[in-house]
Amino acid sequence: NAGVTQTPKFQVLKTGQSMTLQCAQDMNHEYMSWYRQDPGMGLRLIHYSVGAGITDQGEVPNGYNVSRSTTEDFPLRLLSAAPSQTSVYFCASSTGFGSPLHFGNGTRLTVT
Amino acid sequence: AQTVTQSQPEMSVQDAETVTLSCTYDTSENNYYLFWYKQPPSRQMILVIRQEAYKQQNATENRFSVNFQKAAKSFSLKISDSQLGDTAMYFCAFMKLGPNNYGQNFVFGPGTRLSVLP
Repeated sequence: NAGVTQTPKFQVLKTGQSMTLQCAQDMNHEYMSWYRQDPGMGLRLIHYSVGAGITDQGEVPNGYNVSRSTTEDFPLRLLSAAPSQTSVYFCASSTGFGSPLHFGNGTRLTVT
Repeated sequence: AQTVTQSQPEMSVQDAETVTLSCTYDTSENNYYLFWYKQPPSRQMILVIRQEAYKQQNATENRFSVNFQKAAKSFSLKISDSQLGDTAMYFCAFMKLGPNNYGQNFVFGPGTRLSVLP
């Protein structure tokens, strides 16, 4: 039972490049979400999904895209990377309301 | 909008002593949950404790306990017998139902960096 698996662990991009952060969970959780962590700001919600085929925007969605074609996978796409997207990104999943989030180990992204 | 405030950006405590981390939140919801998460230098996010807002009894998990004051919207974390392995960033988090009453909406505080000194 791997839990929530995020890849890659580290990534450096140039401004304007695109990339996909991968997230997979093997706990059959319906709810999945992406957060970014910046110093002094805690974790902020980017996008979330309550099940396959259903996604919605969080607090800071601009510049990011998501899709959820299966229960297991929830990739995050950066369409055209900007230095403001330099951050640590976390994927998380849970069974639903009242349940804690299970986090992946994070991806440190640097955009130059 | 919900907000979570952690007024202590950094704290330190001696090994084996007790420390309390403060957290306040602002909401008009009645049905919600509160959490503390720990993030050690490894960057991993680890659940410390969970509290249901409708329960008056304070949650405890071994050396970790909370003081939940619903009317004051306060949710502090007490760590007893602090250990070097408790050195980490601690995040307070508030959870309510998402839009249209499905899913969940988590809001995290900015964090408190705790150092346990030998």
